[in-house]
Amino acid sequence: SQTIHQWPATLVQPVGSPLSLECTVEGTSNPNLYWYRQAAGRGLQLLFYSIGIDQISSEVPQNLSASRPQDRQFILSSKKLLLSDSGFYLCAWSRVYGYTFGSGTRLTVV
Amino acid sequence: DQQVKQNSPSLSVQEGRISILNCDYTNSMFDYFLWYKKYPAEGPTFLISISSIKDKNEDGRFTVFLNKSAKHLSLHIVPSQPGDSAVYFCAASGGTLGFGNEKLTFGTGTRLTIIP
Repeated sequence: SQTIHQWPATLVQPVGSPLSLECTVEGTSNPNLYWYRQAAGRGLQLLFYSIGIDQISSEVPQNLSASRPQDRQFILSSKKLLLSDSGFYLCAWSRVYGYTFGSGTRLTVV
Repeated sequence: DQQVKQNSPSLSVQEGRISILNCDYTNSMFDYFLWYKKYPAEGPTFLISISSIKDKNEDGRFTVFLNKSAKHLSLHIVPSQPGDSAVYFCAASGGTLGFGNEKLTFGTGTRLTIIP
């Protein structure tokens, strides 16, 4: 069966520090991978999606970047965090219709 | 531009009664709609979906209705149970062929509270 792992579950980082969130998928090959963010009082905003290794599309301009060095690995990064980067980050994968989400990372930038 | 809208940020319903969550969309190219349920500090989980060729889909206590002319869909939960308390997200996909068909646009969510 397919599983998706996302870590860490919670993270508190100071402003200006770097960020690396990792997501891996098991039990499937060539999935579409996504990073979403849920900010306080807002819906799920798509940040990045990837249809293959090193193929990343950005949905919104921001302080973040994404990479996919392996088929089932998706990494969300930042060189310098801003206060506005705080939120709940979700990784997801899909093959056809419907997503499977990871358990999320609560990021607090202080 | 919010293409998928859930205008009620919260809803409280008595246990055993019907919960009705609403969702409106603006993009007429959307052809597949989904509802996700999310508990705090967890990722959303898929609940039920409907294709634009249908106007109703039922799965146990959950029924989704689609009104294409009004660009409106709703999720009915009958009877409501305490475990249904969660945030519910409406999502839509469609448009161009290929990858564009799979990209989901989510609403802002409705927090449902079931009162025992």
